[in-house]
Amino acid sequence: DTQMTQSPSTLSASVGDRVTITCRASQSISIGLAWYQQKPGKAPKFLIYKASSLESGVPSRFSGSGSGTEFTLTITSLQPDDFATYYCQQYNSFPWTFGQGTKVEIK
Amino acid sequence: EVQLVETGGGLVQPGGSLRLSCAVSGFTFSTYEMNWVRQAPGKGLEWVSYISSTSNTIYYADSVRGRFIISRDNAKNSMFLQLNSLRAEDTAVYYCARVRASVPGDYWGQGTLVTVSS
Repeated sequence: DTQMTQSPSTLSASVGDRVTITCRASQSISIGLAWYQQKPGKAPKFLIYKASSLESGVPSRFSGSGSGTEFTLTITSLQPDDFATYYCQQYNSFPWTFGQGTKVEIK
Repeated sequence: EVQLVETGGGLVQPGGSLRLSCAVSGFTFSTYEMNWVRQAPGKGLEWVSYISSTSNTIYYADSVRGRFIISRDNAKNSMFLQLNSLRAEDTAVYYCARVRASVPGDYWGQGTLVTVSS
């Protein structure tokens, strides 16, 4: 199985900051990676697929990059609505697996 | 508008069974793969199971294989998850999510809570 490791687990930032979250795969997953945003009590929201493709309707301040085993989610100019937990998920091979999540909190 | 609505959660004793349903609308269900994801209280997301559009291909996480059964009824625009031999560690919110072009979750339901406790 492919293990996904996110870092950091928690990130404290201010509105307007640039934020980067890293997701590492235990083996190559090509570009089979998605990113989600989740707020308390809500279902995850789909942000990015194929490592770097932005889902329709998602603000352009979100971007993804990487391939193989190392990936990043970047939020340029963090907005109040962006404080949430972010998850990566590999879908290159079954079983699909998630990272443990990165909580972005207000500094 | 795409909608996914999970039902069937509740309180069940260890060893018991439960059947979750996911009713969808707003898209042609029979042409989409689907999956289930769960989230234990205060924990992260865990992928549970996948089913192809025709039910020909099914996958399970190791943690549920042999105990859970995924199925779908394209005529009724619904997907199901039969949960058997339930354990305390199966306590979670269970989400159904649509798969789009092999990408796991472009639309999600609101989730249904399963609590396994005596």
